[in-house]
Amino acid sequence: GDSVTQMEGPVTLSEEAFLTINCTYTATGYPSLFWYVQYPGEGLQLLLKATKADDKGSNKGFEATYRKETTSFHLEKGSVQVSDSAVYFCAHYNNAGNMLTFGGGTRLMVKP
Amino acid sequence: DAGITQSPRHKVTETGTPVTLRCHQTENHRYMYWYRQDPGHGLRLIHYSYGVKDTDKGEVSDGYSVSRSKTEDFLLTLESATSSQTSVYFCAIRGEGAYNSPLHFGNGTRLTVT
Repeated sequence: GDSVTQMEGPVTLSEEAFLTINCTYTATGYPSLFWYVQYPGEGLQLLLKATKADDKGSNKGFEATYRKETTSFHLEKGSVQVSDSAVYFCAHYNNAGNMLTFGGGTRLMVKP
Repeated sequence: DAGITQSPRHKVTETGTPVTLRCHQTENHRYMYWYRQDPGHGLRLIHYSYGVKDTDKGEVSDGYSVSRSKTEDFLLTLESATSSQTSVYFCAIRGEGAYNSPLHFGNGTRLTVT
C-alpha cells in the first residue's frame, strides 16, 4: 500500500546551518507531494507542494523537488533559523486523490 | 487561515465512556477528515467525509464512528473510550478545485482516556 518514509529525528542544527530532511514514498502513479510543518501546540500548516515530476516546491526559504526516478521529495533549506524549530511531515495523496498519507514526522531543533 | 474550529481543545474522560469531538468549518468545503497523531506514527486517517451523510473509513477506524449531517460540521465519536485512544485528534478540510488540493488543519483536540 501507499506509504511515506522520513528520516527519524530529532535533527539538531546550529543556526545558519544547511538542512536536509529525507522523504521517500511508495505509491502507484504519480501522486502530489507535500511538506507540512507543525509548531508546538498547533495544527499542521502546509509548507510547500509539488504536483508532478521535476516540480520544485518552495516557501519561506525551504525547497523540495519531486524526483520520480528515486520516489523522493527531500526538504532543504540553505540557512536555518531558531524559528524553524518544529516538526516536519512529508505526505502524498493516494491514487484516488481522496486520502493523504503522512510520514512519521521529523523534529528539527535549531540552536542559536 | 482556513476557518476550522475543533472543540473541545482538551478532554479528559474515563475508560468506557462515550466521547464526541466536533469539527466546524466556515469554508463550505465538501471533504473533511479526522486524523489522530501519536508519537512515532505521524498522522493516521480515522475517517473522512466527501459530503453530507457520505463518509468512509481510513486506516485506523476501529472504535470510532463519524457523522456529517451538515456541510459545516463533522463529528467524531468514540462509542466506548479506551486508553489506546488517548491521542491528539486533528480535523482537516480539503481546498476546493483540483482533486489534489492540500489539506488545511484545525488546532487539534487533546484527548486523555484514564
